[in-house]
Order: sequence, then structure tokens, then C-alpha cells
Amino acid sequence: DQQVKQNSPSLSVQEGRISILNCDYTNSMFDYFLWYKKYPAEGPTFLISISSIKDKNEDGRFTVFLNKSAKHLSLHIVPSQPGDSAVYFCAARGLSSGDKLTFGTGTRLAVRP
Amino acid sequence: ETGVTQSPTHLIKTRGQQVTLRCSSQSGHNTVSWYQQALGQGPQFIFQYYREEENGRGNFPPRFSGLQFPNYSSELNVNALELDDSALYLCASSLTLGQGAVQYFGPGTRLTVT
Repeated sequence: DQQVKQNSPSLSVQEGRISILNCDYTNSMFDYFLWYKKYPAEGPTFLISISSIKDKNEDGRFTVFLNKSAKHLSLHIVPSQPGDSAVYFCAARGLSSGDKLTFGTGTRLAVRP
Repeated sequence: ETGVTQSPTHLIKTRGQQVTLRCSSQSGHNTVSWYQQALGQGPQFIFQYYREEENGRGNFPPRFSGLQFPNYSSELNVNALELDDSALYLCASSLTLGQGAVQYFGPGTRLTVT
């Protein structure tokens, strides 16, 4: 049972444009969400997070939006840069599951120069 | 400040053997979690240790076991290796438990079981 879903395995964007990565979840007990970026041969790197009491969190070029009623979150990267090319994972944590992170399957972002 | 480190980087084992993977937490972090990432999948939670005690476990059989030491470094042990255990094993440390305690990942150990 995939509780966190990233339905787009890949995304290609022109440098300077906006990248939008999407994530859906099914567990209504999730209350904290994180985005990680992963380069080949490296571990996931934390990017940005959002608590379920907010609907937006911004950090530089990265903004995460949360729509609780739709159980949907998205990561916006503006402007996109070639160095942003990586696999992006959405992760969720729930009140009843301690600190366990449940990950999606990832979206591979390619930013074209 | 040193980040999370893992050893070894790569490992090849034969089915039925046992393996120990090691993790050094980020300085000041008392919580460590282990994840298994199969090819094309997201990381799957194995278990977590907080101050040397297990604090949650995912859907992994008992042949997956762990330890956390007083200096908060950690080990993941897998007995009776199976071919499906081939994966990237990730260790993540966090400052403490609770919401807002971001998990920081090491580079992983790539385990191949033949």
C-alpha cells in the first residue's frame, strides 16, 4: 500500500523556468512533510519541510504548498538551474508512527541549459 | 561539523551470509534511523534508535537487527541474506525525536547479494 505517491517518474524543464513536482498521500494521520533531493551515489539531502498547520513554506528558490483537503503537496523551484537536476523524494511523517518517514518513489528532474 | 558517514561504501555478499553495516551520526544527534532503498523505489523505513533504545520498526523480519552505541553511532545487522536484500542501505540521524527534527542522511552502503 503506497501511502505517498509521486505519479510522475520524470520531469524535464528549461533552465530559468519553474519546476513543479507533485506528491499525493492517502494517510490522513500524516502531519509533517519533507522534500529531499538525491544525486547519484549520494544520500538524500533535505530541502524543505512543511507542517500540516501551514499551507505554504518558502526557502529561497524552493516553495512547498500543502493542500490538506486534497491530500496533495507540491514543490516549486523558481528559477530552475541545471544543478537542480536530481531525483526528488517527497516524505511524510505521522503522529501515530513516531519519526518514521514514509517516502514516495521519487521524480527525476532534468533541467536543460 | 561532520555529517553522517557510513561504511563500507559497497559490499558483495553471498546468500545465507551475515552482514554488518555501520553509521556515524552527525555531531550532537541522538537519534538514528535506517532505511532500505531498492532500485527505482523510495527509501523504506527499517527501524529507529533513540538514546540506544529501539523506537519504532518497519515491516522487516527479525533477521534485520540494530544497535546504537553510547556515542550514538549505529550498526545494522542482517542475517541469512537473501537475494532481495540487495539494495542501498541509508542511515539518517536527527537531533532528537519529534516534529521538526529533520533526518539527515548518509551516502549509503550499496549491498549486493549473489
